[in-house]
Amino acid sequence: DTEVTQTPKHLVMGMTNKKSLKCEQHMGHRAMYWYKQKAKKPPELMFVYSYEKLSINESVPSRFSPECPNSSLLNLHLHALQPEDSALYLCASSQREGSYNEQFFGPGTRLTVL
Amino acid sequence: GQQLNQSPQSMFIQEGEDVSMNCTSSSIFNTWLWYKQDPGEGPVLLIALYKAGELTSNGRLTAQFGITRKDSFLNISASIPSDVGIYFCAGPPAGGTSYGKLTFGQGTILTVHP
Repeated sequence: DTEVTQTPKHLVMGMTNKKSLKCEQHMGHRAMYWYKQKAKKPPELMFVYSYEKLSINESVPSRFSPECPNSSLLNLHLHALQPEDSALYLCASSQREGSYNEQFFGPGTRLTVL
Repeated sequence: GQQLNQSPQSMFIQEGEDVSMNCTSSSIFNTWLWYKQDPGEGPVLLIALYKAGELTSNGRLTAQFGITRKDSFLNISASIPSDVGIYFCAGPPAGGTSYGKLTFGQGTILTVHP
């Protein structure tokens, strides 16, 4: 199984809502990532988890809160988002965090903030 | 931060033509990854390169890791309509505090006319 799954596929939320994005992989990977991607732009790294611990936070606003409940799951909790947060949110995983590890991406969650 | 210069930005070709795109950097890279992204989907890993000078093929795709470790190219032979999409190069720069973090090129948008 070389798949990273993400739910939901699409999400529309108001600025006062609380929602969560979910990511799952069963490849035994110990590094997981959240990216944000605007249309026709490359993905921008938000967070990295390594062995279920937060390794990198790219100065992401606190209205985005990541969580790694176990080695297969990664969540992104959303609260009080702004319209400019509308984007494709991608999850990725790799065997380990490191320079020689390929990252595999999920299909993404298309988020629209009204 | 590190930058990858990817060119061309876009290509419009006829079905059956060959395609070439490349990425260059002022810094050396340990790994070069080439991804393809279809609209509304996550990036899919096409080819991973780990050694300077390495030439790797995947079907009609061929990619090379430049000998200076500062560049890579991707060729697609005999293009078909399903090759349409955005192609990204990516890699973790060697050294520094960027351990495992991917730097992405700006992408090459490929359009194939039947």
